[in-house]
Amino acid sequence: GNSVTQMEGPVTLSEEAFLTINCTYTATGYPSLFWYVQYPGEGLQLLLKATKADDKGSNKGFEATYRKETTSFHLEKGSVQVSDSAVYFCALANTGGFKTIFGAGTRLFVKA
Amino acid sequence: KAGVTQTPRYLIKTRGQQVTLSCSPISGHRSVSWYQQTPGQGLQFLFEYFSETQRNKGNFPGRFSGRQFSNSRSEMNVSTLELGDSALYLCASSGGQGQTGELFFGEGSRLTVL
Repeated sequence: GNSVTQMEGPVTLSEEAFLTINCTYTATGYPSLFWYVQYPGEGLQLLLKATKADDKGSNKGFEATYRKETTSFHLEKGSVQVSDSAVYFCALANTGGFKTIFGAGTRLFVKA
Repeated sequence: KAGVTQTPRYLIKTRGQQVTLSCSPISGHRSVSWYQQTPGQGLQFLFEYFSETQRNKGNFPGRFSGRQFSNSRSEMNVSTLELGDSALYLCASSGGQGQTGELFFGEGSRLTVL
């Protein structure tokens, strides 16, 4: 079945450091891929998405590229801020599957 | 445009009781999904509804049930509560029929079972 694997956290970085959170997936067909973010006490919100191979999703300085050959969708940001501290979830959805599958989540702490 | 609204936000129940959680999707969205979030298991898919029909269901016991009304509002019910049912229950809506688009989440209903 479909699955998503992302690196375990927590990840602790200093402000302005480079961020990478790894995400790999297993899926049949051609899923859409997503990164969601969850701030403390809130529900999840979409950070970025990519719907086909080689697409790059980007938002708020975050980027991720849909790599079909390596079945990966790693999240990157060149310079993190304290306000980026949150839990990040990688996810996939297949047409007709009627569900989105999430990775376990990676907690990010950014220190001033 | 109002977001996804979940009620109640917090509730405490005891073992053996039942609970009903409500979700109002974004206006115009016809798909509603439910997830259980716990520290140990992460986000687990419960079920998805579209136009009052359940299209997919996760691996949860029959104590977990749901339904969707004609106005797209949805409810989920958990009967005979167990301690392990303590979790944040998240509802998400989307507009797409194919369910490959963005999910819009509510803030969740935090259930504590004592």
